[in-house]
Amino acid sequence: KNQVEQSPQSLIILEGKNCTLQCNYTVSPFSNLRWYKQDTGRGPVSLTIMTFSENTKSNGRYTATLDADTKQSSLHITASQLSDSASYICVLRGGSQGNLIFGKGTKLSVKP
Amino acid sequence: NAGVTQTPKFRVLKTGQSMTLLCAQDMNHEYMYWYRQDPGMGLRLIHYSVGEGTTAKGEVPDGYNVSRLKKQNFLLGLESAAPSQTSVYFCAISDRVRTEAFFGQGTRLTVV
Repeated sequence: KNQVEQSPQSLIILEGKNCTLQCNYTVSPFSNLRWYKQDTGRGPVSLTIMTFSENTKSNGRYTATLDADTKQSSLHITASQLSDSASYICVLRGGSQGNLIFGKGTKLSVKP
Repeated sequence: NAGVTQTPKFRVLKTGQSMTLLCAQDMNHEYMYWYRQDPGMGLRLIHYSVGEGTTAKGEVPDGYNVSRLKKQNFLLGLESAAPSQTSVYFCAISDRVRTEAFFGQGTRLTVV
């Protein structure tokens, strides 16, 4: 079983609509959780970071939430734009050697 | 992608040929990772390293070998390339504490 599970696997929405992406984890993380955005053909880039004392953090149209008790995080995108089309990946640090653990990502397609 | 350089950017191999991908970093980070990403799929960890002289297997290590003789370099080797290894390969680095990873620009490998 993957230590970081993301849902849905893919999502298609119309421009201007909102959406929420989910990340559930089982690993006991060392420090924090981070969301990445990966544009097609490019490496992932950090979008927002959540420490385990935070419940909500916003970065423009992106809002991340974290429930450390249930080990769930979500990324909410408001008023989606065509440029939001990308994969969104949830990442934690954990494991026996403290390495980064990546979820498989949610592929978001925003249609005009 | 500043600080992480992958070479080469593109390569076409014949089945059975060998090659080495180089990941070089100038950020002095301890952790280095090799991922592969197939079309429409998430990142899959091949091997990683938590420091100079150490390597560990990831999710899909078969058919690959790695070495980290110097802290700034992480090499990924394919001893006998197979068509199933056609993919985009990403190198990433991170420090010991934060979940932020920095990615290279990717290497697009085709095995025919």
